[in-house]
Amino acid sequence: RKEVEQDPGPFNVPEGATVAFNCTYSNSASQSFFWYRQDCRKEPKLLMSVYSSGNEDGRFTAQLNRASQYISLLIRDSKLSDSATYLCVVRRGGGTASKLTFGTGTRLQVTL
Amino acid sequence: GAGVSQSPSNKVTEKGKDVELRCDPISGHTALYWYRQSLGQGLEFLIYFQGNSAPDKSGLPSDRFSAERTGGSVSTLTIQRTQQEDSAVYLCASSLVGIQYFGAGTRLSVL
Repeated sequence: RKEVEQDPGPFNVPEGATVAFNCTYSNSASQSFFWYRQDCRKEPKLLMSVYSSGNEDGRFTAQLNRASQYISLLIRDSKLSDSATYLCVVRRGGGTASKLTFGTGTRLQVTL
Repeated sequence: GAGVSQSPSNKVTEKGKDVELRCDPISGHTALYWYRQSLGQGLEFLIYFQGNSAPDKSGLPSDRFSAERTGGSVSTLTIQRTQQEDSAVYLCASSLVGIQYFGAGTRLSVL
């Protein structure tokens, strides 16, 4: 079983739709969680950290369920520019510079 | 520079040749990571340097792969006797307080 699992998609949604991505992680010792975004043929970039209480950044909402070892990302009012691959990322251990484990990503395609 | 810099951006080589990929991290970042991403695949961790500690080499796929980080800054990833399956984008990232910032990668093609 992979340490971080995501539905690869693609998710094809019309502009303005709400879309949600899920991610599960296998190691209960995981302590920090992130969503990264990767555009086609570009490097990954941090989208947002995920906090236990859930957090929101504009149209994006991230949630963490430690009991179920499950992370989610909700995108409201999708824009064409949201088309990308969304990577679920987990860090095990308390050191802030310790290794991250990346999921294989969920591809989103927003259409007119 | 302001970001992580990698060179070359593209490298085409013949099977059996050695290649060196360079990463210049963000100034002051103590941690440096190398990943590999094959076409349509996720990021595969290769190696991680943290300050003066021994590197975590647990992700290196074979002994043809090695990396160094000189003076706690620039890192070089070396692939010896390249094989066609080594073709991928090699990404470097650096971090200081947990968030990893990636370079644009080196696209390696082994013919």
